[in-house]
Amino acid sequence: DQQVKQNSPSLSVQEGRISILNCDYTNSMFDYFLWYKKYPAEGPTFLISISSIKDKNEDGRFTVFLNKSAKHLSLHIVPSQPGDSAVYFCAAPPPEGGSEKLVFGKGTKLTVNP
Amino acid sequence: EPEVTQTPSHQVTQMGQEVILRCVPISNHLYFYWYRQILGQKVEFLVSFYNNEISEKSEIFDDQFSVERPDGSNFTLKIRSTKLEDSAMYFCASSRTGGGQPQHFGDGTRLSIL
Repeated sequence: DQQVKQNSPSLSVQEGRISILNCDYTNSMFDYFLWYKKYPAEGPTFLISISSIKDKNEDGRFTVFLNKSAKHLSLHIVPSQPGDSAVYFCAAPPPEGGSEKLVFGKGTKLTVNP
Repeated sequence: EPEVTQTPSHQVTQMGQEVILRCVPISNHLYFYWYRQILGQKVEFLVSFYNNEISEKSEIFDDQFSVERPDGSNFTLKIRSTKLEDSAMYFCASSRTGGGQPQHFGDGTRLSIL
């Protein structure tokens, strides 16, 4: 099973507050995860990644947390800005070696209200 | 910043016709990909291409699909005889290395089959 799941189709937060986007995976052998952001009429843009040897990776306002025992990762955006309004995808390469593809979640639409 | 470019942005084609979607990957990238996203669904992997040959393909990528790198810059996806269910956004992506490392996406071609 090679599923990456985003169970919340949408999230709405106030500007300046924290946005927390969640992602679950079903195969504990996944070892690398990526977050992409997508604006309408544009392609996904790489945001941040994390390897399973870490439990946290931070880049400016964006932090990804990985909980391997729960098979769960989350993206935190602090502080949220209206320009962060987009669809956020969690993605991962399949755990078997040699695969080049990314497996995507369905995405969460984030709306940051001014 | 270098980017992946795709043309056309929107393609309308009659069912049964052939269509070619074009992509110019980032110039120093070695791995090339096609994904598609049917409206309301996940981004799905179609095919990866490395060293002038297909390295991996999904079950979606049947005999109606083909890819080509006709010169040093273009990467094309051909659908030989389009079906209604081929209507989707098609994204080209490229990466410098494989193994799921961040892939950089173009803005997509919206393919509409009538």
